[in-house]
Amino acid sequence: AQSVTQPDIHITVSEGASLELRCNYSYGATPYLFWYVQSPGQGLQLLLKYFSGDTLVQGIKGFEAEFKRSQSSFNLRKPSVHWSDAAEYFCAVGARPGSARQLTFGSGTQLTVLP
Amino acid sequence: DTAVSQTPKYLVTQMGNDKSIKCEQNLGHDTMYWYKQDSKKFLKIMFSYNNKELIINETVPNRFSPKSPDKAHLNLHINSLELGDSAVYFCASSEGGGIYNEQFFGPGTRLTVL
Repeated sequence: AQSVTQPDIHITVSEGASLELRCNYSYGATPYLFWYVQSPGQGLQLLLKYFSGDTLVQGIKGFEAEFKRSQSSFNLRKPSVHWSDAAEYFCAVGARPGSARQLTFGSGTQLTVLP
Repeated sequence: DTAVSQTPKYLVTQMGNDKSIKCEQNLGHDTMYWYKQDSKKFLKIMFSYNNKELIINETVPNRFSPKSPDKAHLNLHINSLELGDSAVYFCASSEGGGIYNEQFFGPGTRLTVL
């Protein structure tokens, strides 16, 4: 079965600084990979996903993520963080062929943005 | 206009009680889900319905019974609540049941069992 690890429970950055959130997965083949964001009091919103092809994927809100097979990683990045980016971020990995029951979420990284 | 809505947002109840959480989506999706997010924030799928038909039923105690009266609604009824049921429950919907279809989540219902 697949698994996903988000090593950083909490990250604090200053507004305007760059951001990288780490995600490592365990799966025997190329998985489906996702990043979700959960703002306070809200449900999860999909930021971006990787299924195949170009390993650098662009998402909404200026986020991008890079799939690195050799490192089993799918780190999320943003060049300049805005105060509104403060939220909880979840990485998820899905096994093929891709039933919803095969989607595994990480435990999340809480992002705090300092003014 | 809220895409996926859940009621109530907060639910505090005593052990042994029966409670329901309601979910509605106005996106026209044919697939709906219930997820449980535990105290460590792990999110795990419980159920999935496609066109009112149950297609995913993970290892969830049978005290939990989902009901889908129509495509736009998926309710969760929980009997004989236990302390371990305390969690945040999320409803979600998608167009199609594969994980390649984006899921849209509701705001969650925080259930506290005392």
